[in-house]
Amino acid sequence: NAGVTQTPKFQVLKTGQSMTLQCAQDMNHNSMYWYRQDPGMGLRLIYYSASEGTTDKGEVPNGYNVSRLNKREFSLRLESAAPSQTSVYFCATRQGAGNTIYFGEGSWLTVV
Amino acid sequence: DAKTTQPPSMDCAEGRAANLPCNHSTISGNEYVYWYRQIHSQGPQYIIHGLKNNETNEMASLIITEDRKSSTLILPHATLRDTAVYYCIVRGNFNKFYFGSGTKLNVKP
Repeated sequence: NAGVTQTPKFQVLKTGQSMTLQCAQDMNHNSMYWYRQDPGMGLRLIYYSASEGTTDKGEVPNGYNVSRLNKREFSLRLESAAPSQTSVYFCATRQGAGNTIYFGEGSWLTVV
Repeated sequence: DAKTTQPPSMDCAEGRAANLPCNHSTISGNEYVYWYRQIHSQGPQYIIHGLKNNETNEMASLIITEDRKSSTLILPHATLRDTAVYYCIVRGNFNKFYFGSGTKLNVKP
């Protein structure tokens, strides 16, 4: 049981390049989340998806787009990467109200 | 959305109880309090959650005040492996979870 799988685990981008972080879950959960964590800081919510086909902004959505095409996958896209987006990105899932969140292992992104 | 306030860091001697406080004075009546921890740069790990009553599981105990404006996470016998950042979270609108900065717990020999 893989749980929450994120790819890639490590990526270096040049400023202005684009890329997509992938997240897949095998727990059949409805809700999915993308967070970022800057060095020495807490996690900040980027985007949230309550169910397939729906997304909603979190605390820091600027510079990102997301896609929830099916229940299993939730992708995060950086259209034009900036050094300020250097961070560790975590995907998470949750079954429903009152339930806990399960996190992936994180994706380390460096923008130079 | 209810926000939480936690001390940035705390120390605890190995084998002693670690008591981590959290203030959530704007919490709504139907909002749960969750606690997670993050060891190094791993994904956060669920510890415990509660609504009104005190809760206990194999990892920790959660004490919520009667007015629900604050809570305390108790690790009864802290070990070196409990050194981590501990996050107190109150679920916001539309089930968004906001983590804040957390408390860095240093368990010392």
